[in-house]
Amino acid sequence: DAKTTQPPSMDCAEGRAANLPCNHSTISGNEYVYWYRQIHSQGPQYIIHGLKNNETNEMASLIITEDRKSSTLILPHATLRDTAVYYCISYTGTASKLTFGTGTRLQVTL
Amino acid sequence: EAQVTQNPRYLITVTGKKLTVTCSQNMNHEYMSWYRQDPGLGLRQIYYSMNVEVTDKGDVPEGYKVSRKEKRNFPLILESPSPNQTSLYFCASSRTGGATNEKLFFGSGTQLSVL
Repeated sequence: DAKTTQPPSMDCAEGRAANLPCNHSTISGNEYVYWYRQIHSQGPQYIIHGLKNNETNEMASLIITEDRKSSTLILPHATLRDTAVYYCISYTGTASKLTFGTGTRLQVTL
Repeated sequence: EAQVTQNPRYLITVTGKKLTVTCSQNMNHEYMSWYRQDPGLGLRQIYYSMNVEVTDKGDVPEGYKVSRKEKRNFPLILESPSPNQTSLYFCASSRTGGATNEKLFFGSGTQLSVL
């Protein structure tokens, strides 16, 4: 599975869009990009995933560049409850092991 | 409600006293897995199970045992806990293992302290 790189921390004002970048320059053609988040010490929560097309669900949007070397998770209207560590993961499905890095700590402020 | 249930949420024990952390899912998932989370090291996989009676080692299996006698349950067993197993543990499940279009469902975690 390709290694991903994320900024260690970001701030966002409540009500604004939070754009979380992820670099996965060595991603292979069959690897999906997954995003999870972990609020405090709770279990990680699935947010969204995609292969090459942009994806949107009730929680967020995922924008993947055409060369698939990077992606951006967008939380359209961040709230205080979105304060969490966000993990970007590329995954081939080997043994269903998601390799979590250190993620981006998003702090949403008033 | 679809969920992965772990028990207990908090556990304090002493070195060498056998313990079991239970994990149960109500989604009829084939795949289940255990992770531990330590500061600065992220989540690391301990063991996983692709189906009933099928288990395999993850990245950090030493000192742990698992069993998968039923589809819904995947207990984590520490036969002789040591202080370096003090950690936050998570159980996870997905519909199948090895598929690239699956998402993992995680339990709420078990904070274990071994004195």
